[in-house]
Amino acid sequence: NAGVTQTPKFRVLKTGQSMTLLCAQDMNHEYMYWYRQDPGMGLRLIHYSVGEGTTAKGEVPDGYNVSRLKKQNFLLGLESAAPSQTSVYFCASSLSGGRQETQYFGPGTRLLVL
Amino acid sequence: GENVEQHPSTLSVQEGDSAVIKCTYSDSASNYFPWYKQELGKGPQLIIDIRSNVGEKKDQRIAVTLNKTAKHFSLHITETQPEDSAVYFCAATSPRGALNFGKGTSLLVTP
Repeated sequence: NAGVTQTPKFRVLKTGQSMTLLCAQDMNHEYMYWYRQDPGMGLRLIHYSVGEGTTAKGEVPDGYNVSRLKKQNFLLGLESAAPSQTSVYFCASSLSGGRQETQYFGPGTRLLVL
Repeated sequence: GENVEQHPSTLSVQEGDSAVIKCTYSDSASNYFPWYKQELGKGPQLIIDIRSNVGEKKDQRIAVTLNKTAKHFSLHITETQPEDSAVYFCAATSPRGALNFGKGTSLLVTP
């Protein structure tokens, strides 16, 4: 099993450009999450999904959209990138999203917005 | 919402010594407390977790303790080695099932 994979690994954008980050998992997990990690801030939840076709907002959702068209994929979109969205983005998944479920993380996508 | 405080933010120990990282949480309904290790350029990796029905859990050189009354939990690493150097994050479950993370502890183990 590859676990949780993310593409791309690194990307540079200009302000106003758009892009999509892809997360894929091969563990048949129901729940998937997008976090961002900034220096000194830990990881903060952007959006999450409790199953195919469903998404919900997390702690810092503004400026991002997500889609879960297939169970194994969770896409994070930036419609109009801003320098404040420079960050490292991590995707995670868990089997059923229960409150005692382990989350497994991908390797991250480093995004720089100029 | 849930607030997870983590201390210290940086910790330097000599090889062979013990390291302790402490976290407190605010939501009394939290019942799952994982610890993640993050090496440079990589994603967080789960190293140990504890559920609210136990007070302590050990896995070789790593142990976690939980005090639900005081709402705090701690990570203990004994006989530290240079490869233990990394950033460690504690987390607690939020009402929606996601994780609320502490801000991380940068551990440096010097030979």
